[in-house]
Amino acid sequence: RKEVEQDPGPFNVPEGATVAFNCTYSNSASQSFFWYRQDCRKEPKLLMSVYSSGNEDGRFTAQLNRASQYISLLIRDSKLSDSATYLCVVNTVMDSSYKLIFGSGTRLLVRP
Amino acid sequence: SAVISQKPSRDICQRGTSLTIQCQVDSQVTMMFWYRQQPGQSLTLIATANQGSEATYESGFVIDKFPISRPNLTFSTLTVSNMSPEDSSIYLCSVEGSGTGAYEQYFGPGTRLTVT
Repeated sequence: RKEVEQDPGPFNVPEGATVAFNCTYSNSASQSFFWYRQDCRKEPKLLMSVYSSGNEDGRFTAQLNRASQYISLLIRDSKLSDSATYLCVVNTVMDSSYKLIFGSGTRLLVRP
Repeated sequence: SAVISQKPSRDICQRGTSLTIQCQVDSQVTMMFWYRQQPGQSLTLIATANQGSEATYESGFVIDKFPISRPNLTFSTLTVSNMSPEDSSIYLCSVEGSGTGAYEQYFGPGTRLTVT
């Protein structure tokens, strides 16, 4: 089983639609969670961190369910510019260091 | 967030040769990370590089193949040695953010390597 699993998509939605991405992780000791956005042939960019109480940043809402080891990202009022791959990322702490585990990404296509 | 640059941005290399990738940050950072992103795949951590100590490699990656230097708090290099076509990937460095978000990482633009 992969440490971080995402639906690969693609999700093909019209402008203005609401779309939700889900992610599950296998390590119950994981402590920090993130959504990154990666445009084609570009580096990943941090979209938002995910906090236990859930958090919102404009049209984007992230939620965390530790009991189910589940993370979600909701995008409201989709824009053409939202088309990208969204990476679910989980932090695992080890000894004196840590590492980020990346999901394989969910591709979003927003059409006019 | 820090401004991160990488050199070269891309290269085409022959098998059996080596390529050294440079990562420069505009501020001092304790931890730097090197990742690989193979075509159509997500990111995989190669190693963590702390200044003043040996890099820590992830399972499946060894120092002889991917030697790393970290001479100061703003610079690191990753060498891909004795390359084969399977090493064709994007190689990215990242640093931990200096803001309040714990464990947030910010990435350089990547080095696109093609091995023929």
